[in-house]
Amino acid sequence: KAGVTQTPRYLIKTRGQQVTLSCSPISGHRSVSWYQQTPGQGLQFLFEYFSETQRNKGNFPGRFSGRQFSNSRSEMNVSTLELGDSALYLCASSLEGTAGMNTEAFFGQGTRLTVV
Amino acid sequence: QKEVEQDPGPLSVPEGAIVSLNCTYSNSAFQYFMWYRQYSRKGPELLMYTYSSGNKEDGRFTAQVDKSSKYISLFIRDSQPSDSATYLCAMSGRSYNTDKLIFGTGTRLQVFP
Repeated sequence: KAGVTQTPRYLIKTRGQQVTLSCSPISGHRSVSWYQQTPGQGLQFLFEYFSETQRNKGNFPGRFSGRQFSNSRSEMNVSTLELGDSALYLCASSLEGTAGMNTEAFFGQGTRLTVV
Repeated sequence: QKEVEQDPGPLSVPEGAIVSLNCTYSNSAFQYFMWYRQYSRKGPELLMYTYSSGNKEDGRFTAQVDKSSKYISLFIRDSQPSDSATYLCAMSGRSYNTDKLIFGTGTRLQVFP
């Protein structure tokens, strides 16, 4: 059974640019959540998508957005990049998401974004 | 005060030792508790998943949840150098503000031969 796939693995962008990250969940999983991981703040929740709808959102500015497609694949977009956006971006898939009983979340390897 | 508190370590133990990793939390609405292991430059890997209070064992790993004390633990028996990683606790619930995974900051574990 294939795991969660994130692309690309590494990305270097310039301040002010925008970036799109992709996540393909485990087959059959309908929930995709996105997290930002930094040494100082640890893992912080960005948002969750379930059946193409954003079901939950963390405390990040509107520059961070996402969407989910009918096949459950999800993309995350960050516009007007800032130096502080440099982080490991992780997505996690689960059957029903964190609001359901089947809450086990499986993570991808992450996309390491460096903003210069 | 953070919702989930976890000692960052590092915790350094000899091979074969029993390791105890812990998290405390403040919100009694948390119902689902998880432990993840994260190797350097990799994504977190789910180790244990527990619903509500009690113990769960899987090989060398045992997870304990004490909801009355708001305290969860992960025990690793016969620790191996390959167990050297950062261990993250995570929890969620069904109520508002807990319906997403909240992580501890992680404890870095080093097992030396």
